[in-house]
Amino acid sequence: GAVVSQHPSRVICKSGTSVKIECRSLDFQATTMFWYRQFPKKSLMLMATSNEGSKATYEQGVEKDKFLINHASLTLSTLTVTSAHPEDSSFYICSARGYRTSGGETQYFGPGTRLLVL
Amino acid sequence: GQQLNQSPQSMFIQEGEDVSMNCTSSSIFNTWLWYKQEPGEGPVLLIALYKAGELTSNGRLTAQFGITRKDSFLNISASIPSDVGIYFCAGQLRDSSYKLIFGSGTRLLVRP
Repeated sequence: GAVVSQHPSRVICKSGTSVKIECRSLDFQATTMFWYRQFPKKSLMLMATSNEGSKATYEQGVEKDKFLINHASLTLSTLTVTSAHPEDSSFYICSARGYRTSGGETQYFGPGTRLLVL
Repeated sequence: GQQLNQSPQSMFIQEGEDVSMNCTSSSIFNTWLWYKQEPGEGPVLLIALYKAGELTSNGRLTAQFGITRKDSFLNISASIPSDVGIYFCAGQLRDSSYKLIFGSGTRLLVRP
């Protein structure tokens, strides 16, 4: 079935550095990708929505200059956490929505990326 | 903004027992979805509900979309240890954004 992958699965970085997280749809074209953040024992909070070839739409309270989203192709979206700080440590999950090559819409979540900023 | 109130927050039950959890909202959603998330993983879709009043089953899971489109419940029958995890309801907005708004989650623990 359809699969969404994320890379890396976990990353540790120093405060002040930037981290890029990739989200790929493996057997369908993702016209829309969503990025969520999840703190321990909390729910998923939508950060932004990106449509292929367009600028991302950010949710209220999410800094677009800090969380850079690129959706340059129908199978890849990236989230870059710029100048990361310890409070950015979280579980980042992408979701991809699109059309299967066999027909029909589909939406799946990636396995998540755990970011730890020291 | 839209919020989903999910209850209970956690449940600790005996294997074999039935489980029920629900979500309510002040907003109307186009679609209700129920997900299960295990530690360190992304959510996995269990059941999707598209029509008001719809009752759908997936194995031991049964979910219903409320008539008002503002609530939903999920039942798990004859629970087993592998049912352990966090269950989230999610509502999809009625606009063209396809955004999902998640409930706060129900943490389920099953005692063998």
